[in-house]
Amino acid sequence: GENVEQHPSTLSVQEGDSAVIKCTYSDSASNYFPWYKQELGKRPQLIIDIRSNVGEKKDQRIAVTLNKTAKHFSLHITETQPEDSAVYFCAATVRGGADGLTFGKGTHLIIQP
Amino acid sequence: GAGVSQSPSNKVTEKGKDVELRCDPISGHTALYWYRQSLGQGLEFLIYFQGNSAPDKSGLPSDRFSAERTGGSVSTLTIQRTQQEDSAVYLCASSVYSPGSNEKLFFGSGTQLSVL
Repeated sequence: GENVEQHPSTLSVQEGDSAVIKCTYSDSASNYFPWYKQELGKRPQLIIDIRSNVGEKKDQRIAVTLNKTAKHFSLHITETQPEDSAVYFCAATVRGGADGLTFGKGTHLIIQP
Repeated sequence: GAGVSQSPSNKVTEKGKDVELRCDPISGHTALYWYRQSLGQGLEFLIYFQGNSAPDKSGLPSDRFSAERTGGSVSTLTIQRTQQEDSAVYLCASSVYSPGSNEKLFFGSGTQLSVL
């Protein structure tokens, strides 16, 4: 089955700096890659996703890049703000949607004032 | 409208007891998922329902775990003879099933299960 590795497990950055979280996946047939954000004590929420036919997707300060050859994808957050502090989960699936998602173990992003 | 609702929010039980966790998905969402979140372990898939049927039960860790969904709506996750390693947050999510298109998972706030 699919295996998703996520790094780093904890990331601390200064407010205003950029943050990058990286994930690798094992199944080359994977075709859908969402990112979920979970603030402390709250439920996970989808923040951005990308399909295998696209190399990059942006939404304001966040972007996701996908390298199918290397089987890795990354989340980029620019101009970080205190409200970006949260645990971020990447996921991958071969089934094209929410069905069959395998999640990474999460990255705890800490924004230092 | 209302989001995904889970009950109870917290459950403390003794080892060996059975527990039932309930999930009420968003109205109209045909797909329902159960995940387990342990500290530092991310989101572990347990089971997926499409309507009342469960095409993917591959994540259930043992035969002590079972789940059902009735009326294409409410789902119950049952853990029999609970063990301390079952302690975790159990998250339910629902989505609108649309083959071949992006699907956003809507999560509930979870049930924190503590087995003493």
